[in-house]
Amino acid sequence: SAVISQKPSRDICQRGTSLTIQCQVDSQVTMMFWYRQQPGQSLTLIATANQGSEATYESGFVIDKFPISRPNLTFSTLTVSNMSPEDSSIYLCSVGEVRAGETQYFGPGTRLLVL
Amino acid sequence: GDSVTQMEGPVTLSEEAFLTINCTYTATGYPSLFWYVQYPGEGLQLLLKATKADDKGSNKGFEATYRKETTSFHLEKGSVQVSDSAVYFCALSFTDFQKLVFGTGTRLLVSP
Repeated sequence: SAVISQKPSRDICQRGTSLTIQCQVDSQVTMMFWYRQQPGQSLTLIATANQGSEATYESGFVIDKFPISRPNLTFSTLTVSNMSPEDSSIYLCSVGEVRAGETQYFGPGTRLLVL
Repeated sequence: GDSVTQMEGPVTLSEEAFLTINCTYTATGYPSLFWYVQYPGEGLQLLLKATKADDKGSNKGFEATYRKETTSFHLEKGSVQVSDSAVYFCALSFTDFQKLVFGTGTRLLVSP
């Protein structure tokens, strides 16, 4: 499976600021996704990052709050904008490889605390 | 909509005990089913998967069988170790990379 890295691994931010999280994969992958895991909760899909076009957002998530870029098949960024304490979560990127069918593999996550 | 239901945790066991974590799903059609594990302070790792009815996924001594008739995918291990302490997530997805739908997770605590 692909090796996935995320930066930063953790951060503490002030409310009202923005943070950009990077996801890097060591090989070209078809699909990239961004998930949020709120404290003590399960994972919720934020959006599918589409290479060369706008991301596809799930219900309850909007581009102004979570802008996403995917300039190529190995890299994506998620920005958490105008943060509030409710944005404190683990943010994970995942990738899907055609040869692995519909299996998704996850990065190590970015732990975000907003004060 | 599609959903996954897992047993509430935490599940507390002694080392070498038998483990079952129940997972049932609701879906239109026949999804693929997955178990992911999250060790403390880490991201999610794929533990095992099954893509069609009666398939058995297995890895690291863990097993789960895709039961279409009961819409279940229960996770089992014959003898747990302290190192198995983690949160286990059951999930489903369909082909063409539709999103993963996760259960709420079940925390497993194994004591020596």
